[in-house]
Amino acid sequence: QKEVEQNSGPLSVPEGAIASLNCTYSDRVSQSFFWYRQYSGKSPELIMSIYSNGDKEDGRFTAQLNKASQYVSLLIRDSQPSDSATYLCAVGGFTGGGNKLTFGTGTQLKVEL
Amino acid sequence: DTEVTQTPKHLVMGMTNKKSLKCEQHMGHRAMYWYKQKAKKPPELMFVYSYEKLSINESVPSRFSPECPNSSLLNLHLHALQPEDSALYLCASSQDFRYAEKETQYFGPGTRLLVL
Repeated sequence: QKEVEQNSGPLSVPEGAIASLNCTYSDRVSQSFFWYRQYSGKSPELIMSIYSNGDKEDGRFTAQLNKASQYVSLLIRDSQPSDSATYLCAVGGFTGGGNKLTFGTGTQLKVEL
Repeated sequence: DTEVTQTPKHLVMGMTNKKSLKCEQHMGHRAMYWYKQKAKKPPELMFVYSYEKLSINESVPSRFSPECPNSSLLNLHLHALQPEDSALYLCASSQDFRYAEKETQYFGPGTRLLVL
């Protein structure tokens, strides 16, 4: 049984600071990792996907993957109040049809003015 | 266009009712998913359809019955639900090519279901 762990938070950061969100996973052979953002009452929205060790940057967001440590992180630079949401880490898995995502419990981020 | 649509947005039903949730995508995706999400919990996978065939059923009670009439449509038929089934029901889709585990799932806005 795959497990994906995140600190539930809330993680509070001041506006303009860097928010760092962390995730660990249990299945050593996992190959794909996703960060979704979910505003209260809304559906998850993809922020980043990452498949290779190292960093991947997209605007203010940087995903970092370390497969040896089974660790994925998401950095949000210049945090804005609109970034306040729950961030879900998900690990992909192929089971013969589709991508079976295993989600962490999510980290609630609060960006304060 | 990365849009997945779901109807209705909200649904209230009694425990003896029969209702259906609908999901549609026009991205040419061949995998479609149903998730259930309770408050402050992550989405929980219920069913996966791959090329219109059921590929995963996560031991969901038979009062939930999925149907995939064609590659663009996914239904979830509801019958004799319990109050604990009240949740946000999310539909998602992905391409389902060779490396399916690397594919992004795009979520619809969800149907908020209340069972009385």
